[in-house]
Amino acid sequence: GDSVTQMEGPVTLSEEAFLTINCTYTATGYPSLFWYVQYPGEGLQLLLKATKADDKGSNKGFEATYRKETTSFHLEKGSVQVSDSAVYFCALLSNFGNEKLTFGTGTRLTIIP
Amino acid sequence: EPEVTQTPSHQVTQMGQEVILRCVPISNHLYFYWYRQILGQKVEFLVSFYNNEISEKSEIFDDQFSVERPDGSNFTLKIRSTKLEDSAMYFCASGEGQVYTEAFFGQGTRLTVV
Repeated sequence: GDSVTQMEGPVTLSEEAFLTINCTYTATGYPSLFWYVQYPGEGLQLLLKATKADDKGSNKGFEATYRKETTSFHLEKGSVQVSDSAVYFCALLSNFGNEKLTFGTGTRLTIIP
Repeated sequence: EPEVTQTPSHQVTQMGQEVILRCVPISNHLYFYWYRQILGQKVEFLVSFYNNEISEKSEIFDDQFSVERPDGSNFTLKIRSTKLEDSAMYFCASGEGQVYTEAFFGQGTRLTVV
């Protein structure tokens, strides 16, 4: 079945550091890939998405590129801010019939000033 | 911007009691979902609902759980007899139902079973 493997956390970085959170997936066919973010005390928010190979999703300075050859969708940001502290979830949406999202375990990111 | 709305934001209930979690999906969406997140764990799929019936459910979604769309706008999750391990954040989501569209999530209801 579908699965998402996500970099274990927690991750602690200093402000303005470069961020990478790794995500790889297993799925049949051509899934859509997503990063969701959960800020403290809030629900899940879509951060970015990519729907086909080589697509790059971007939002709020975050980027992720859909790499079919490596089945990866790593999240990156060039210079993180304290306000980026949150839990980040990689997820996939299979294109085979069902519409459920399969999530990774989440990575807690803490940015220190 | 349209959004998915969930009520209540936090519910405390005694073990063995029934609870109903409510959601108002985005109005033109056709697919509806419930997910849950036990504290410190990953978000897990519970059930999807389309055309007034369950289209898929996970092994978590046993006979204690039910969903319905009673009036064409609300989408509810009922837990018949809550257990301590049902304590979690429950997220409702809705989607247009087409391939490559994402689900939009509500803010969640935190259920605490005591």
